[in-house]
Amino acid sequence: GEDVEQSLFLSVREGDSSVINCTYTDSSSTYLYWYKQEPGAGLQLLTYIFSNMDMKQDQRLTVLLNKKDKHLSLRIADTQTGDSAIYFCAGGGTDKLIFGTGTRLQVFP
Amino acid sequence: ETGVTQSPTHLIKTRGQQVTLRCSSQSGHNTVSWYQQALGQGPQFIFQYYREEENGRGNFPPRFSGLQFPNYSSELNVNALELDDSALYLCASSSQGPNTEAFFGQGTRLTVV
Repeated sequence: GEDVEQSLFLSVREGDSSVINCTYTDSSSTYLYWYKQEPGAGLQLLTYIFSNMDMKQDQRLTVLLNKKDKHLSLRIADTQTGDSAIYFCAGGGTDKLIFGTGTRLQVFP
Repeated sequence: ETGVTQSPTHLIKTRGQQVTLRCSSQSGHNTVSWYQQALGQGPQFIFQYYREEENGRGNFPPRFSGLQFPNYSSELNVNALELDDSALYLCASSSQGPNTEAFFGQGTRLTVV
């Protein structure tokens, strides 16, 4: 079945870059998404990439997609304490989204 | 803010009871999806409604049911609540079509005791 995997935890120093990785099994996903979830809150869409793209940059965020390896990454430049949250990658089309288990990003001064 | 609102924000129910959760979709969106997020897990797809019809369902039993109204708002109903139904229930609204983004509400935290 469809599966999305992420590492559970990442700790970075403020000002450094963060790279959150994701692997997926369903190659039919039209889009791949990154969502951010702060404690007690819903999901905030950060960015998404079409499955026929290799890279997308949006201010401090860079998404890289390696379709051959079914690997997706999110790079956050100049990570700030406000970036501390859980980050989910998700694949999907026009119906359901399949989410990973989330990566908890902790940013320390 | 996304414009997707859910109510109530928190709810405590007893095992065996029934619950109704509500979601108002973002203006212009005709599709609502519901997800269950257990503690420490990623959201799991329950079902989707498009123009008042169910348009896809995840691996959830029939006691999870839903409705979508003409104004595209939606309800999630869960009968015969079980302890494992305790979770954050998230609603997402979107427009059907190839270039679509799903916007999530803040969720309803359901605790079954």
